[in-house]
Amino acid sequence: EAQVTQNPRYLITVTGKKLTVTCSQNMNHEYMSWYRQDPGLGLRQIYYSMNVEVTDKGDVPEGYKVSRKEKRNFPLILESPSPNQTSLYFCASSPAGAGNSPLHFGNGTRLTVT
Amino acid sequence: KQEVTQIPAALSVPEGENLVLNCSFTDSAIYNLQWFRQDPGKGLTSLLLIQSSQREQTSGRLNASLDKSSGRSTLYIAASQPGDSATYLCAVSWGSGNTGKLIFGQGTTLQVKP
Repeated sequence: EAQVTQNPRYLITVTGKKLTVTCSQNMNHEYMSWYRQDPGLGLRQIYYSMNVEVTDKGDVPEGYKVSRKEKRNFPLILESPSPNQTSLYFCASSPAGAGNSPLHFGNGTRLTVT
Repeated sequence: KQEVTQIPAALSVPEGENLVLNCSFTDSAIYNLQWFRQDPGKGLTSLLLIQSSQREQTSGRLNASLDKSSGRSTLYIAASQPGDSATYLCAVSWGSGNTGKLIFGQGTTLQVKP
């Protein structure tokens, strides 16, 4: 089944403890992207990757890192999480860019930082 | 600044009614516009994608229109059903080519009452 898989679905952590949220797609998509969703603010783009080894900042990249060493994986890294990073995170992919093809989303990761 | 706005934030209608959801955007030089559906606790599902050169797209009971000059898109849902209850989001990609940036509206939460 074609899908975008995020892990974990739920994560509770403490301030400053490094964490990684994984994202994997099995559709051979070139484009992958991370978003956070907050009440009243909607979805905001954190980082995106047009292809392997190519990543760019979205609207809210501060406090996050990403890497794209292989096509199928695009992990989101929080080196030193803070409570303002408590949010619902979504990973998405498409065959090429955000423009020509529909995006496929994962089911989300709910992160709580205390 | 490029922004996407969806009004109203919530809408409640009786089953069977035809309805229109609105999406407005600043800067008419868009590349494409997408409409998504989000069910509680789930990721987003792409409904329709309209390229900047198109005026509308249709899928089943859904019809999305695009008017770049006025900075507006509408999602028309015919003969609404309780199963249509969800949050509907629009997202815009700007520029002359296929880029990675995507900006979302805050969504309209639709409730269709039996």
